[in-house]
Formats: sequence, structure tokens, C-alpha cells
Amino acid sequence: EPEVTQTPSHQVTQMGQEVILRCVPISNHLYFYWYRQILGQKVEFLVSFYNNEISEKSEIFDDQFSVERPDGSNFTLKIRSTKLEDSAMYFCASSRTGDYGYTFGSGTRLTVV
Amino acid sequence: AQKVTQAQTEISVVEKEDVTLDCVYETRDTTYYLFWYKQPPSGELVFLIRRNSFDEQNEISGRYSWNFQKSTSSFNFTITASQVVDSAVYFCALSEVYNNAGNMLTFGGGTRLMVKP
Repeated sequence: EPEVTQTPSHQVTQMGQEVILRCVPISNHLYFYWYRQILGQKVEFLVSFYNNEISEKSEIFDDQFSVERPDGSNFTLKIRSTKLEDSAMYFCASSRTGDYGYTFGSGTRLTVV
Repeated sequence: AQKVTQAQTEISVVEKEDVTLDCVYETRDTTYYLFWYKQPPSGELVFLIRRNSFDEQNEISGRYSWNFQKSTSSFNFTITASQVVDSAVYFCALSEVYNNAGNMLTFGGGTRLMVKP
């Protein structure tokens, strides 16, 4: 069964450093998403991406965050200057159409120290 | 604005008991989708079910069943004859459909289910 692949599974970074989280969505999917989950809390929407641009973003997704689809397969989330409160599990997801269910990746646990 | 409430933060049962996880939602849209996801200790989100707002028929899949009641805005999940492997956090989620924007999911706070042997 097709999967959404996220790398790395765990990343530790120093406060203030830039970090890039990588995702390979399912190949025939057109919609891409990032979500985050602070430890012990609910999963929160960050951003959706369609047709090479951001289609929706939440209040969490401020100027420190950016997304990119640099080639035909990868979808990345960049955090420019990480803060302690950015420590969370980040999930990538993709869907074939705008009204279809997602497939989530297994997540990247980001720890900012 | 859409909202999903899972009032039960934690439930503990003994193996073989039946357990129901509650989910109540709020939305202004007439077309929407409801989901349940399982998050085992390993952390990934495992899709369980998707239901659209026009389909109120209850669904059964093995030991899992879902009760969608539009009149009470609820989408409850029942596990029959629970097993230790069912121990996980379960999330209910809602999506409204945006034209060409994809479907943003709003998650509930989750219910941690502990099944003891």
C-alpha cells in the first residue's frame, strides 16, 4: 500500500537554528499538508498546499514557517529560527483530491534544546 | 468555526469489555466529513474510518463500530470485546471541504484508551 514517507524520524536541534523536515507524499496525490502535535496534546493543522502554492494556513503558521515542493516528489517544511515551543511531532499528509481522506506519514519528532 | 470535542480524556477497561468513545462536533457546513484515527504508542496516525455528512448509516468493521447521529452532532466509536492491542489514543476529526484548498482537519483532544489484561 502506498505510503507517505517522512525523514528524519527524530531530529534534535539547537534553539535558533533552521530545520527542514522532509516528506515524500504518495505519487499521484495533489494535496499536501503539515500538522503538528505538541506532546500530549491534539493534532493541529499548520498548512495545506495545492498547485504549487499554499491554499490554507493556520495562525500557528507564521513567518518562521515555510513550505516548498522543490521537485516532483518532496514536500518540505522549514522552520527558520527554532524556538523551544516548536518541539513537537510534525506530520505530513497527502490526499488525492480535495475532499478525500488523507494518508499521514509516521511523523518527525522535533526536539529543540 | 468548526470544533470537535472528545469529553473523555482517558478510559480504562479490562480486556473483553466493550467501550464507547464519544465525539461531538460543531460545524456550520451542511457538507462535511468525520474521521477517526488511532495513535498507538509508536506515534503514527492510523486511519480508521471516514464518513460523509449525508451518510448516517452506522458502520461495523470487525470489532469496531461507529454511530453517526446528525441530530445530536455525534460520531461515537465502539470497540467490542476490547483487547490489549487496542490501547492507544483515539482522535475524532472533522473536515469541511474548501474548493481547491483541500480539506483541513480539525481534531478533537483525543481519548486515551487503556485496556488491561
